[in-house]
Amino acid sequence: DSGVTQTPKHLITATGQRVTLRCSPRSGDLSVYWYQQSLDQGLQFLIQYYNGEERAKGNILERFSAQQFPDLHSELNLSSLELGDSALYFCASSVSGGVNEQFFGPGTRLTVL
Amino acid sequence: ILNVEQSPQSLHVQEGDSTNFTCSFPSSNFYALHWYRWETAKSPEALFVMTLNGDEKKKGRISATLNTKEGYSYLYIKGSQPEDSATYLCAPLMSYNTDKLIFGTGTRLQVFP
Repeated sequence: DSGVTQTPKHLITATGQRVTLRCSPRSGDLSVYWYQQSLDQGLQFLIQYYNGEERAKGNILERFSAQQFPDLHSELNLSSLELGDSALYFCASSVSGGVNEQFFGPGTRLTVL
Repeated sequence: ILNVEQSPQSLHVQEGDSTNFTCSFPSSNFYALHWYRWETAKSPEALFVMTLNGDEKKKGRISATLNTKEGYSYLYIKGSQPEDSATYLCAPLMSYNTDKLIFGTGTRLQVFP
C-alpha cells in the first residue's frame, strides 16, 4: 500500500458526460501528479500540482482540468467524454517533485460507453 | 518530443537466470532518471532515482547504473525469481522541466519457474 488513495476504483459512464476522479496523497507529500494509461499506450503525464498550485503540464486535453485543494487532495475533472478517454487514470504523490520518487495510487478505471 | 527507448520490449527468462535491460534517453539537458516496477493489476512502484553520471544503485537483487554522457541506464536483476515478473519502466527528467516524467514503454519481464 503506497498510502495514496484514489476514488472511485471503477467508473462507467456515457459519451458526453462529465466525471470527477479524486486523489488523496500520502501524508506529508505536497506534490500530486495525474497520469493516463490508455490501451496500447504507456503512462502519459497529464498534470502536476504542488501545494495547491499547478506546476507542470503534459498533453492534457482542454476538456480535462484538475485542482489541488488546501488539504492537498486533488481532483481530475473530465468533461464531454469521448470513447477514447477510456483509460486507467493514476494519481501519484511525492514529497516535492523532481528527484523525489513518486508513490502511485491504485488507479481509477474509466470506461466510456 | 522526448525520445525514451527501452529494450528489449519483452523478455522471458528461467528462474535463477540473471538479466538486464536498457533505457536510452537524450543526454543533453539530463536532470534525473527514475526506474519503476509495475506488476500486473497493481500500481507502478519506485525502484530508483538516479542523477549522477556513473551512479550505481542497488535494492536486493536489482541494481541499476547510469551513463548521462551517452544517455543510457542499465537495470540488472541477479538470479531472477517468478516474483520479479513485471514491467520495468524508466522515466527521465530533463532540466527544462524537472517535474515532468516521460515514461518509456517498458520492458516486460516474465520469469518462469
